[in-house]
Amino acid sequence: EAGVAQSPRYKIIEKRQSVAFWCNPISGHATLYWYQQILGQGPKLLIQFQNNGVVDDSQLPKDRFSAERLKGVDSTLKIQPAKLEDSAVYLCASSLVPGQGLYGYTFGSGTRLTVV
Amino acid sequence: KNQVEQSPQSLIILEGKNCTLQCNYTVSPFSNLRWYKQDTGRGPVSLTIMTFSENTKSNGRYTATLDADTKQSSLHITASQLSDSASYICVVTSGYSTLTFGKGTMLLVSP
Repeated sequence: EAGVAQSPRYKIIEKRQSVAFWCNPISGHATLYWYQQILGQGPKLLIQFQNNGVVDDSQLPKDRFSAERLKGVDSTLKIQPAKLEDSAVYLCASSLVPGQGLYGYTFGSGTRLTVV
Repeated sequence: KNQVEQSPQSLIILEGKNCTLQCNYTVSPFSNLRWYKQDTGRGPVSLTIMTFSENTKSNGRYTATLDADTKQSSLHITASQLSDSASYICVVTSGYSTLTFGKGTMLLVSP
């Protein structure tokens, strides 16, 4: 089974620039998550999709972050404009159902963003 | 407020030795608890998952325990290997799908 694919692996941008990350979940996984992981901390949920609908985006800084999941498969996360504090690893995860019981989450390798 | 606390923050052990990582949580309602291994620069990979009724779960050299009464979990690593060097994250699911992550324990296995 192919895993969760993310690209790019690394990105360095200047503050106030824009950046986009892409995620391709495991085939058939209806639930997709974007997490932000700052160095030394656990991942923080940014947004959760169920198919192409948003389930939870309460922690997404909507003034600068946006995400979409067209057609309920691939997803993109965009930051515009970026700030220095956005430097982090952005993880995408997917699950067959929303994390209930024995169904686990599969994480991608993440995109490491450095804002200078 | 749901919280997951992990200890120690970091740990260095010699190759071949055993170690135990701790996870204390205040999460309600509890659904399940997972331990993840996260190699540097990689996404987390699931090691074990335990529901309320399970006390212990093994995955090779990794053994997780859960005490739902005291809301504590531990991850025991036996006969450590250099490849065990990673961050170990405790994640508790509450309700239907809310995840609460610990900050992780950074383990370094030294030759």
